[in-house]
Amino acid sequence: DAGVIQSPRHEVTEMGQEVTLRCKPISGHDYLFWYRQTMMRGLELLIYFNNNVPIDDSGMPEDRFSAKMPNASFSTLKIQPSEPRDSAVYFCASSPGGSETQYFGPGTRLLVL
Amino acid sequence: RKEVEQDPGPFNVPEGATVAFNCTYSNSASQSFFWYRQDCRKEPKLLMSVYSSGNEDGRFTAQLNRASQYISLLIRDSKLSDSATYLCVVIHSGGYNKLIFGAGTRLAVHP
Repeated sequence: DAGVIQSPRHEVTEMGQEVTLRCKPISGHDYLFWYRQTMMRGLELLIYFNNNVPIDDSGMPEDRFSAKMPNASFSTLKIQPSEPRDSAVYFCASSPGGSETQYFGPGTRLLVL
Repeated sequence: RKEVEQDPGPFNVPEGATVAFNCTYSNSASQSFFWYRQDCRKEPKLLMSVYSSGNEDGRFTAQLNRASQYISLLIRDSKLSDSATYLCVVIHSGGYNKLIFGAGTRLAVHP
């Protein structure tokens, strides 16, 4: 079975540009999570969805960040405009309902110059 | 103060050694506990859940002390392949699967 799929795997962009990260969760999983990992702050939950509905976005750093889940098999995390401090690894994870185990995708390494 | 605190290490140990990692959490309402493993430049993966009575999975033993809000992971007979970062993770009561990660403890096992 395919795991969580993320694209792109690497992204290099210039400050001010729009960045869109994509995630396909494991089929049948009800929950989808977006995390950011940096050396300074570790792994932080940005937002999570249940059945395509955003449940908790308290971790989204500011209005430049937005996330959508238009259907059960696709989610996007958008940063507009991007800034150098957004450079990090962004992970998407999914989880089946009734389980606390989360399955992480391989991550997107973002570098904003 | 961070919600989940871990010694960052690194722990450098020879093959065959026994090594223990500790973790403390600040929210007494935490209800579920886990250890995740993250290899260099890879995603985190669940290593094991931690139960109140303690639990073992092969060479790995996890312990929970709710009174002291303390979690531990013991690795016996370390292998080179155990080299990774070990992340302590908690879920708060009513946290709806919201994982709170520690910063991780790095383990390096050498020949």
